[in-house]
Amino acid sequence: QKEVEQNSGPLSVPEGAIASLNCTYSDRVSQSFFWYRQYSGKSPELIMSIYSNGDKEDGRFTAQLNKASQYVSLLIRDSQPSDSATYLCAVNRRNNDMRFGAGTRLTVKP
Amino acid sequence: GAVVSQHPSWVICKSGTSVKIECRSLDFQATTMFWYRQFPKQSLMLMATSNEGSKATYEQGVEKDKFLINHASLTLSTLTVTSAHPEDSSFYICSTTGTGDNEQFFGPGTRLTVL
Repeated sequence: QKEVEQNSGPLSVPEGAIASLNCTYSDRVSQSFFWYRQYSGKSPELIMSIYSNGDKEDGRFTAQLNKASQYVSLLIRDSQPSDSATYLCAVNRRNNDMRFGAGTRLTVKP
Repeated sequence: GAVVSQHPSWVICKSGTSVKIECRSLDFQATTMFWYRQFPKQSLMLMATSNEGSKATYEQGVEKDKFLINHASLTLSTLTVTSAHPEDSSFYICSTTGTGDNEQFFGPGTRLTVL
């Protein structure tokens, strides 16, 4: 079992729709969770962090965490073509031991 | 967050040569920096954790004698790929934690191509 699992996609949504990205993790002691956006040929950019169960909203982005189910998700509302990228789920287990999922490639079609 | 730079942004070298990549934390004194490698269409793989003033901690399967890491100051860590081979061609990215809760901030990456 991979430490952090994501659907590789590609996930394709029309402009203006909600994109839903999912991630599961295996280590129950994980404490902090992150979503990074990576454009092709570029390095990852932090877009959301979440530490407690529930939802966290920041603009068009909402991160959801369910520690009991070991599940993290990212919703992108009003998706724009500029949101087209690979989204990496990252889980910080302890002491900055961060593990990344393989990423989900999102395409937003105009 | 933290602002991180890397140099060079890309490098092409011949097989057997050594390449040094610099990672600088521009606005934060980073006692710890991380080095990742990313092959095409794959995720980030942590290579090593670089600690200022002490030896780096390498992940299992990463050759410490091939990937030399030096973290001599709070703002600079270097990764030297020694005797590079074509299979070392990859995207190398460094990161550091900021003053927040364990999030990592990445440099722009260095694309290494070994001919």
